[in-house]
Amino acid sequence: EVQLVESGGGLVKPGGSLRLSCAASGFTFSNYNMNWVRQAPGKGLEWLSSISDSTSYIYYADSVKGRFTTSRDNVKNSLYLQMDSLRAEDTALYYCARAYGSGSNWFDPWGQGTLVTVSS
Amino acid sequence: SYELTQPVSVSVALGQTARITCGGNNIGGKNVHWYQQKPGQAPVLVIYRDSNRPSGIPERFSGSNLGNTATLTISRAQAGDEADYYCQVWVSSTVVFGGGTKLTVL
Repeated sequence: EVQLVESGGGLVKPGGSLRLSCAASGFTFSNYNMNWVRQAPGKGLEWLSSISDSTSYIYYADSVKGRFTTSRDNVKNSLYLQMDSLRAEDTALYYCARAYGSGSNWFDPWGQGTLVTVSS
Repeated sequence: SYELTQPVSVSVALGQTARITCGGNNIGGKNVHWYQQKPGQAPVLVIYRDSNRPSGIPERFSGSNLGNTATLTISRAQAGDEADYYCQVWVSSTVVFGGGTKLTVL
């Protein structure tokens, strides 16, 4: 069964840092691009970052560029999101999702998410 | 920046057809994907590349994309179809989601 499990969320003060992880299983992780998407409470989906299978490219949304860093470890079958200089508006449920298809790919499946709360 | 516009809410009578639109400049020239999100759950892909259904998604779900509007159609709507629905496209090297549509089955 293809599965993605996020971890690392929690309560952090403004200006602080947090590192999220996404553990993949049930598929050959190194063959797939991966993504981070977040959802603020009661709001819609916001794409954050995409990383290619071999890390040859990494893309970011403007809202997190320069503050968040996406990486992956294809040996550990894991995806990471290093979040620095956190703000209250970064409070959200953070999902990892596998990219599927070539070119304009879609996200399938998604993990269940990990909650990040930024508050003093 | 590229924007996708979805109605905030759509209502449909039980057993009738619901249509959820996703508007964008020349969206017909892009591949549109659709996700269903039920309360407290992660999003689930229901349509990819405009009109393709993943395995396990009922045939009642279909999609189209032409001009400036992509449409997700849900035939014979069921109570279990109540959810938020999001469209998604790639624009250059970024991903854009629509704002989401809450589907209510009456």
